[in-house]
Amino acid sequence: SYVLTQPPSVSVAPEKTASISCGGNNIGSKSVHWYQQKPGQAPVLVIFYDGDRPSKIPERFSGSNSGNTATLTISRVEAGDEADYYCQVWDSSSDVWVFGGGTKLTVL
Amino acid sequence: EVQLVESGGGLAQPGGSLRLSCAASGFTFSSYAMGWVRQAPGKGLEWVSTISGSGGRISYADSVKGRFTISRDNSKDTLYLQMNSLRAEDTAVYYCAKVPYSGSYHFAYWGQGTLVTVSS
Repeated sequence: SYVLTQPPSVSVAPEKTASISCGGNNIGSKSVHWYQQKPGQAPVLVIFYDGDRPSKIPERFSGSNSGNTATLTISRVEAGDEADYYCQVWDSSSDVWVFGGGTKLTVL
Repeated sequence: EVQLVESGGGLAQPGGSLRLSCAASGFTFSSYAMGWVRQAPGKGLEWVSTISGSGGRISYADSVKGRFTISRDNSKDTLYLQMNSLRAEDTAVYYCAKVPYSGSYHFAYWGQGTLVTVSS
C-alpha cells in the first residue's frame, strides 16, 4: 500500500517561513492535498492539487510537488498557524485515499 | 452553505455494532462523492471509506473492509456508516466529509465529527 511520510514536528519563529514535507514513492506523479487541523476542530483544506488554494486560505500558504517529495510552505508564519498539518493523496492503483502521519507545527 | 452533521456515535462493546449518520444540506447531495475519515485519540487522520454520488462506486480502507459498510440515501440527503464487529482500535472521532466537485479526490467540507468508543 502507498505510504506518505511526514516529519512529526516542525518549529518556526513568527514571521519566518515554515516548510512541511510529505514523502512518497514518485509522489510527483500524484495530486497532493493538504489539511490543517487545530485542537478540537475538524480538518480544513488549505492546499489542493499540489498548489491550489481555497478562496478563504491566505496567500501565505503554498504547495509544491516533485519527484518523491511534496512540500507545504507557510510564509510569514503567524501564531494562528500553529496546528497539525496532513498531506493526502489518492492512490489510483488501489483506489484508496492515503493520509500522511501528520506534522505538528509549533510557532516559537 | 454546506453543512454536514454526524450522529450515532457512542459506546459500543467489542464485537458490537453501531450505525453512524451524516445529514447533509446546502448542496445537491446526489451529485457528490462523500466519505468517512476517522481519528483515534491523539493520533492522525485515517481514511475509512468513500462512496460516489450515485452509490455505485465504493472503496474501503483495508482496516475496515468486511466489517464496515458505507451507504447513502439520496432521497434523505444522508450518508451512513454501518460498523460491525467493532474492535478497540476502532475507537475514534469519525468525520463525514464531502468532495468539492465531481471527480475530485480530496475533501473540501467536513462535519464536526462523532465519537465512537469501543470498550467493555
